[in-house]
Amino acid sequence: EVQLVESGGGLVQPGGSLRLSCAASGFAFRTYWMSWVRQAPGKGLEWVANIKPDGSAEYYVDSVKGRITISRDNAGNSLYLQLNSLRPEDTAVYYCVGLFGNTRMIYWGQGTLVTVSS
Amino acid sequence: QSALTQPASASGSPGQSITISCTGTSSDVGGYNYVTWYQQYPGKAPKLMIYEVSNRPSGVSNRFSGSKSGNTASLTITGLQAEDEADYYCCSYTSSSTLVFGGGTKLTVL
Repeated sequence: EVQLVESGGGLVQPGGSLRLSCAASGFAFRTYWMSWVRQAPGKGLEWVANIKPDGSAEYYVDSVKGRITISRDNAGNSLYLQLNSLRPEDTAVYYCVGLFGNTRMIYWGQGTLVTVSS
Repeated sequence: QSALTQPASASGSPGQSITISCTGTSSDVGGYNYVTWYQQYPGKAPKLMIYEVSNRPSGVSNRFSGSKSGNTASLTITGLQAEDEADYYCCSYTSSSTLVFGGGTKLTVL
């Protein structure tokens, strides 16, 4: 059974940092593109970042460039998202997602909530 | 990286058909056959319903179909059922090697 389990969310002040983790199991993690997708409360989905299977390339939505970094540990079957210089508009549920190719989001975690507030 | 344009809401009666549109540009929807559609129930993670414009993953009902014309993709649901009431999102690959979602459509089954 495929599982993606996110952790690391919580309440953080504006300007602060958080590191989200995603533990993957049940599929060949090292062969899959991975993404983070977020959803602000009551709002739609927003793609945040992608990373290639070997970690050699990353892609980001413009609104987070320079503040957010996606990374992975294929030996540990883990995906990460480093969030820096957080803003209230970064408040959202962050989903860890596994992709078939680099476009088809087939595996989703249950999400972890990040709240940016003073 | 502007979001793709979807109607905020759509509705239909059981048994009817509905179509949800998703409009982008030649740099995303119109330029690639990499449009996907997702279904999301409140409080749940999204589920892939259509990939590469018109393909259904295994296990998805054949009542769901997708198409594309120019810069606009569409999701059609035939024989509406109460269980189809959910939010639907389109997503496209872009010329920047990124992905972009639509704003989402809330489907109500009357």
